[in-house]
Amino acid sequence: NAGVTQTPKFRILKIGQSMTLQCAQDMNHNYMYWYRQDPGMGLKLIYYSVGAGITDKGEVPNGYNVSRSTTEDFPLRLELAAPSQTSVYFCASKQFRNQPQHFGDGTRLSIL
Amino acid sequence: AQKVTQVQTEISVVEKEDVTLDCVYETRDTTYYLFWYKQPPSGELVFLIRRNSFDEQNEISGRYSWNFQKSTSSFNFTITASQVVDSAVYFCAPEGVRGSNYKLTFGKGTLLTVNP
Repeated sequence: NAGVTQTPKFRILKIGQSMTLQCAQDMNHNYMYWYRQDPGMGLKLIYYSVGAGITDKGEVPNGYNVSRSTTEDFPLRLELAAPSQTSVYFCASKQFRNQPQHFGDGTRLSIL
Repeated sequence: AQKVTQVQTEISVVEKEDVTLDCVYETRDTTYYLFWYKQPPSGELVFLIRRNSFDEQNEISGRYSWNFQKSTSSFNFTITASQVVDSAVYFCAPEGVRGSNYKLTFGKGTLLTVNP
């Protein structure tokens, strides 16, 4: 099993550009999450989904959008990239509530 | 909303020393789960342990042990005979039940450096 796969691993964007961070899991997990991790900080939740077609905002959703059209995929869209969105982005999934989350390897995003 | 405080920002020890990482949390939930994750220098997040709020029995797994005390809202993590490979950032993360939709709240992490 591949687990949680994030692409790309690295990306540099110019201010004002847009892009989509991809996240796919092959474990048939219902719950999926997007986090950002700034240097020296813990993870902050951006958006999450409890199943296909259902998404909700986390702690820091501004400047991002998500969709969940399938169980496997949970892309994160950045519109009008800003320097404050420079961060490492992690996608995670789990099958049931209160189970451990499985994390992808992260996407390191720099906006210049 | 939940709040997590990881008491130590950074800890530096010499190999073979014992080290304890302290975590204090606030939650309105009466039932909840607590998690510890490890993030080594390579950057991935690794699940270490999960405990539920009903079970205050302390747990030992190899060189790792956990001390959970619901009365003081603390969930501490001890590494015995530390090794260089234990160097990482360690995160404590409670997960609520009602009203939080089973979301984790991460602390800011404790950077552990084990020197040879």
